[in-house]
Amino acid sequence: GENVEQHPSTLSVQEGDSAVIKCTYSDSASNYFPWYKQELGKRPQLIIDIRSNVGEKKDQRIAVTLNKTAKHFSLHITETQPEDSAVYFCAASINGNNRLAFGKGNQVVVIP
Amino acid sequence: DAGITQSPRHKVTETGTPVTLRCHQTENHRYMYWYRQDPGHGLRLIHYSYGVKDTDKGEVSDGYSVSRSKTEDFLLTLESATSSQTSVYFCAISERPDYGYTFGSGTRLTVV
Repeated sequence: GENVEQHPSTLSVQEGDSAVIKCTYSDSASNYFPWYKQELGKRPQLIIDIRSNVGEKKDQRIAVTLNKTAKHFSLHITETQPEDSAVYFCAASINGNNRLAFGKGNQVVVIP
Repeated sequence: DAGITQSPRHKVTETGTPVTLRCHQTENHRYMYWYRQDPGHGLRLIHYSYGVKDTDKGEVSDGYSVSRSKTEDFLLTLESATSSQTSVYFCAISERPDYGYTFGSGTRLTVV
């Protein structure tokens, strides 16, 4: 089945710097890749997603890039702010299955 | 958040008792999912539903059962609660399996 791995598990950045989280997936047939942000004590919330026919997508300070050949996709956060501190989960669709495969999450800490 | 509620929000129960958690949606989405979240394990899928009376197991289904008798409700039952089932349980809904999920606010369950 699909296996999704996230790296690094924890990332600390200075406020204003950029943060990049990378996910790898195993199923070349996966075609949908969302990112979720979970603040402490809250529910995961979809922040951005990308489909396999697109290489990059941006939404203000966040962007996602997809490399289908290498089977990895990355979340980029620019000009980080304290409110970006959270756990970020990546996921990938499972071909022929009715669900997503989630990574274990990355803790991002923005240091003021 | 719009369209999905979980109840109860918090519950403490004794070992060996049955417990039912409810997920209710008003979005008329076909797909509904139950996850548990524990430190270091990310989101683990328990069961999911792809239509009324259509359900399937996830990675950690032992000790859990589900029912979906109507589109809007997806019930998760712990047949005989154990301390290892102490966790935060999230329900999620989706229009399609390759669309973003909307998560509920979660149920914090403690088994003593």
